[in-house]
Amino acid sequence: AAGVIQSPRHLIKEKRETATLKCYPIPRHDTVYWYQQGPGQDPQFLISFYEKMQSDKGSIPDRFSAQQFSDYHSELNMSSLELGDSALYFCASSLGLRAQNQYFGAGTRLSVL
Amino acid sequence: GENVEQHPSTLSVQEGDSAVIKCTYSDSASNYFPWYKQELGKRPQLIIDIRSNVGEKKDQRIAVTLNKTAKHFSLHITETQPEDSAVYFCAASFSGGGADGLTFGKGTHLIIQP
Repeated sequence: AAGVIQSPRHLIKEKRETATLKCYPIPRHDTVYWYQQGPGQDPQFLISFYEKMQSDKGSIPDRFSAQQFSDYHSELNMSSLELGDSALYFCASSLGLRAQNQYFGAGTRLSVL
Repeated sequence: GENVEQHPSTLSVQEGDSAVIKCTYSDSASNYFPWYKQELGKRPQLIIDIRSNVGEKKDQRIAVTLNKTAKHFSLHITETQPEDSAVYFCAASFSGGGADGLTFGKGTHLIIQP
């Protein structure tokens, strides 16, 4: 079965640069969630979208923005990168508005040097 | 906001024995409680979930119980196998009118000793 696809899988950036992470949800899934996971930590919810509209907002820094497009894929844009932004970024998708059965992608590992 | 506490942080059991991981949550509005298994460097995988209108749910060797009054839920793994070794996260969310994000516990590193 098709899963959540994230690209790129690995990304290396310098401080103060920008980065764009992409997420392609499971076919027919209309809801996308973004999470950040630091080393040895639990995933932290950043933001979610349903039907191309922002639905819930978590601990997303003002330097980050995201959107969901007409084909339901989503992009997380990160600017003025800091060393502390180094983490695994997961996208999850689900069907419908209820926060159930969130299936995670393989993640993008961002390293900020 | 929601706060989820998870214990223990590390759990070592003999192969074939049972393992129990416990979580408490703070927000009485939370009504959806999934459990995820995560191997090192891999994605979190949903292994079982429970909603607030159910007290217990089983799936083969895995079971989850929920006590709404105490705001407490637990994961039970029976007949543990080496492939059960991983980090397990509990989570809580309000599943209602929006795509609410999950609040995770800090995780339990489960080690299955051969």
